[in-house]
This record gives sequence, structure tokens and C-alpha cells, in this order.
Amino acid sequence: NSKVIQTPRYLVKGQGQKAKMRCIPEKGHPVVFWYQQNKNNEFKFLINFQNQEVLQQIDMTEKRFSAECPSNSPCSLEIQSSEAGDSALYLCASSLGGRVNTLYFGAGTRLSVL
Amino acid sequence: GDKVKQSPSALSLQEGTNSALRCNFSIAATTVQWFLQNPRGSLINLFYLVPGTKENGRLKSAFDSKESYSTLHIRDAQLEDSGTYFCAAAGGNYKYVFGAGTRLKVIA
Repeated sequence: NSKVIQTPRYLVKGQGQKAKMRCIPEKGHPVVFWYQQNKNNEFKFLINFQNQEVLQQIDMTEKRFSAECPSNSPCSLEIQSSEAGDSALYLCASSLGGRVNTLYFGAGTRLSVL
Repeated sequence: GDKVKQSPSALSLQEGTNSALRCNFSIAATTVQWFLQNPRGSLINLFYLVPGTKENGRLKSAFDSKESYSTLHIRDAQLEDSGTYFCAAAGGNYKYVFGAGTRLKVIA
């Protein structure tokens, strides 16, 4: 039921390498979220955008990730130097925001850092 | 501590039986969503709730913002209902906080 497109589906990187994943939000949705889901199924909020502006982000994202949502291009999330602990499912979601903020998730990018 | 607590953490149901999952919140939630995550990892939207109840087929969900909880009732469980159910709550700043999930297995 979601039209959020995430690529790639799987990503394998060595420690210290950059890891970049992309997300095309549902058409007309100005709010985009990135979450990390670890192997224990725990969700960690990473960052969200409204249009091209960052609304909120956690400390880890600010220090180690590069994220953007340019107009007319996919949003992206890039880990600058991958660590083993970054192995997880990265989920992008989009929303209309405002009073009806239903999240619609993409299928995720599963990152393995060897 | 946990801002969104889900219970039970795991559940095994006989096909055709009913059950209820619950989320308790320690944040001032204004909206709640319920998702089913399938084995491939895809999150399927089940319900989006403001305070009140919604029903969709064999599923029914309620959200009580004053008592800070939400429930998901599954009636006549089917094998395809198996998966992990997550609730997520937001308090008006767009950011949803997720529970740890309930792993449901429906057995024939």
C-alpha cells in the first residue's frame, strides 16, 4: 500500500567505506523520515525533513551521516565511514505532515558492514 | 525508560481464535499507528488513529489518549496474520516513537 521507493534493497560495505542509500517519497509528501531498525527489531529515529529542510536529527546522524532531500531528486542517507554496528535495516517513510501525519514506509535498505 | 511499551512481546495463536495486543505510552501521544512487518521487512500500514476506534475486516484498533494506551484486536486469526506487529506514537512533533513489537505466530 506504500509508494515510497527505496534503493538499493541490499548494500554490503567494508568497515570504513561510505554507504549511500536513496529514497523517493510518495508524490506530494513533503515530510520524509529515516529510521534504523536493528537486529533486535528496535527502531531508532535518525532524521526527518520537511521539503529540503532538516526538522530534527539525532547526534549520531549529525556526526556520522550525511543526509539530504533536494528538490526534484531522491532523498539520500549516507554513512561517511561504515562501522559494524551500522548493520541494520534503514527505513525511509514519507508523510503529508500537518494534522494528518500518517507514515508510509518503503521496503528498506538492508546494510551489512563486514 | 521505554516510551512505548508493547505487550505481549510474543504470541502464538491457534487459527480461528482471537487476541489483543496492547501499547502503553509514557509520552503525550496525539496519534498512533499500527504496522505489520512481514518476513521481508516491509511495514504494512494497518491503522492510523487519533483518539477513538477504527475497524477494518478482522482487525479493530482503539486509542485512548487520556489513559495513554492503544489496542489492536485480531478476530478469527489466519495464518497470513503471522508477523511482527508494531505500534508507533507521535506527540505532535511529527516524530513517531516505536514499540519493540509483538511477534505473532498463527498455527494451524
